[in-house]
Amino acid sequence: DIQLTQSPSSLSASVGDRVTIACRASQTISTSLSWYQHKPGEAPRLLIYSASSLKDGVPSRFSGSASGTDFTLTISNLQPDDSATYYCQQSFTTPSHTFGQGTKLEIK
Amino acid sequence: EVQLVQSGGEVKKPGEPLKISCKTSGYRFTDYWIAWVRQMPGKGLEWMGIIYPDDSDVRYNPSFQGQVTISADKSMSTAYLQWSRLRASDTAMYYCARPHVVGIPAPYDYWGQGTLVTVSS
Repeated sequence: DIQLTQSPSSLSASVGDRVTIACRASQTISTSLSWYQHKPGEAPRLLIYSASSLKDGVPSRFSGSASGTDFTLTISNLQPDDSATYYCQQSFTTPSHTFGQGTKLEIK
Repeated sequence: EVQLVQSGGEVKKPGEPLKISCKTSGYRFTDYWIAWVRQMPGKGLEWMGIIYPDDSDVRYNPSFQGQVTISADKSMSTAYLQWSRLRASDTAMYYCARPHVVGIPAPYDYWGQGTLVTVSS
């Protein structure tokens, strides 16, 4: 099974800051990696797919990158509404489209 | 407009059966996979399994194989997640989700609102 390890598990940043969240895959997954934003009481929201493609309607402050089995979600110019838990997900192998364990982002 | 509308919250006792639903509209149901995702209280997202409604091809996360059954009714454009005997550890929020591209199993850009299942004696 492919494992995804996210870091950090939580972080706190201020409005206007730039933050990065990392996701490391236990084996190659090509660019079959997506990022979601999940707020309490809401359904998860797809932000990035294919490692670096921004979903329509998602602010360009969000970006994704990949280097081998290491993936990064970057959020620039943090806004209060960015407070959420962020998950990576791999879709390289079926039957298990694993999620990372999540990174909780708090806006100070 | 694409919509996934899940059935309402459930409170059940251990050992009881349960079937929750995900009714879809706004697209051709048989063209897209439907996935189920669990979130236990205070925990992260877990991918449970996925079904292709056109031929009912089902793939399970090995962790959930044998514990739940995923099915779909093409005539109702509805996917289902069911348990034959619930356990307290099944207490969680369950989401259905649809991929953003025809014919591929992930990632998901349409989600149901979630169904909260509470299992308690």
